[in-house]
Amino acid sequence: AQSVTQLGSHVSVSEGALVLLRCNYSSSVPPYLFWYVQYPNQGLQLLLKYTSAATLVKGINGFEAEFKKSETSFHLTKPSAHMSDAAEYFCAVSEGFKTIFGAGTRLFVKA
Amino acid sequence: NAGVTQTPKFQVLKTGQSMTLQCAQDMNHEYMSWYRQDPGMGLRLIHYSVGAGITDQGEVPNGYNVSRSTTEDFPLRLLSAAPSQTSVYFCASTSGTGKETQYFGPGTRLLVL
Repeated sequence: AQSVTQLGSHVSVSEGALVLLRCNYSSSVPPYLFWYVQYPNQGLQLLLKYTSAATLVKGINGFEAEFKKSETSFHLTKPSAHMSDAAEYFCAVSEGFKTIFGAGTRLFVKA
Repeated sequence: NAGVTQTPKFQVLKTGQSMTLQCAQDMNHEYMSWYRQDPGMGLRLIHYSVGAGITDQGEVPNGYNVSRSTTEDFPLRLLSAAPSQTSVYFCASTSGTGKETQYFGPGTRLLVL
């Protein structure tokens, strides 16, 4: 069965620092992987997705993620955090009709 | 395009009351889903539909009913609300399965007393 584990329910970084949000997955077939972002009182919106093309995927707002099959990981990074990046981030794996979401990681950005 | 719209934005119910959460999309997507979001648990799939007239259960279907009479609309019904159904509900639609992006509505915040 598919599953997604996000390490750390809360991550705090200083403005300008590296952002690293961790995601590990399990899937019985080659996965489709997603990162979604949720700003306060809003729905989720896509940051980026891996669909078996390039293993390094670039998304919106300077975020990127690398698919590592050997580590079953899809960690999200951004070189320099901005105050506007404060939000909740969800990793997800999709197979067929269903998408399984991780529990989410709330990112705090300190001035 | 309005994308995915949900009504109401906020609702308070008493235990045992019924209500319908509305969801509509104008992107001509075949696939639609309902999720609930609870703190520390991410989003959990309640029901989904792969086209008009076709629905199926997700991870947490108990206490909820759905129907899909048109491509655009996918209402979620609570027949007898319980405090455990207090949550934020999101509707999503997508043009396909697997690698396709899901588009989410703004959510309905439900409080059951």
